[in-house]
Amino acid sequence: EAQVTQNPRYLITVTGKKLTVTCSQNMNHEYMSWYRQDPGLGLRQIYYSMNVEVTDKGDVPEGYKVSRKEKRNFPLILESPSPNQTSLYFCASSLSRGTHNEQFFGPGTRLTVL
Amino acid sequence: AQSVTQLDSQVPVFEEAPVELRCNYSSSVSVYLFWYVQYPNQGLQLLLKYLSGSTLVKGINGFEAEFNKSQTSFHLRKPSVHISDTAEYFCAVSDVDSSYKLIFGSGTRLLVRP
Repeated sequence: EAQVTQNPRYLITVTGKKLTVTCSQNMNHEYMSWYRQDPGLGLRQIYYSMNVEVTDKGDVPEGYKVSRKEKRNFPLILESPSPNQTSLYFCASSLSRGTHNEQFFGPGTRLTVL
Repeated sequence: AQSVTQLDSQVPVFEEAPVELRCNYSSSVSVYLFWYVQYPNQGLQLLLKYLSGSTLVKGINGFEAEFNKSQTSFHLRKPSVHISDTAEYFCAVSDVDSSYKLIFGSGTRLLVRP
């Protein structure tokens, strides 16, 4: 089944404790992206990647890092999480560069930083 | 800069009634337009998209949307809703030339009552 998977689905952590949220897609997609969803703000892009070893900042990159060492994986790293990073995070992928391509979303990761 | 406005944060409606979810965008260039749906505890799923051509776009589950360039709108409609349509709906826009950036609205929660 073609899908985007994220792990973990739920995470509660404390301020300053490094964490990684994994994202993997099995559709051989070139483009991958991370969003955060907050009430009343919709989805905001954190980082995106147009291919292996090619990443760039989105609208809200502060406090986050990403890497794209393999085509299928695009982990999101919070090296020192803070309470304002409490949010619902979505990973997405699409066939190639170009927003005319449909983005496929993972099921989301709900992160709480205490 | 591009932006998307979804005028209603919540729309309650009775089952089998028609519904319209409003979306307005601002952009100085040609755009692609999208509607995504998010069912409870799930990721986003593409409902429909406008890339070019006919301004009336039909999507999944009986939804349709009309692109109105002069009013910079892309309202979503369904003639008769079901309980299962209860979800959050997001309008999104991207520049035709941007190729990677999708801007989301804040979302409209559709609540269908029996």
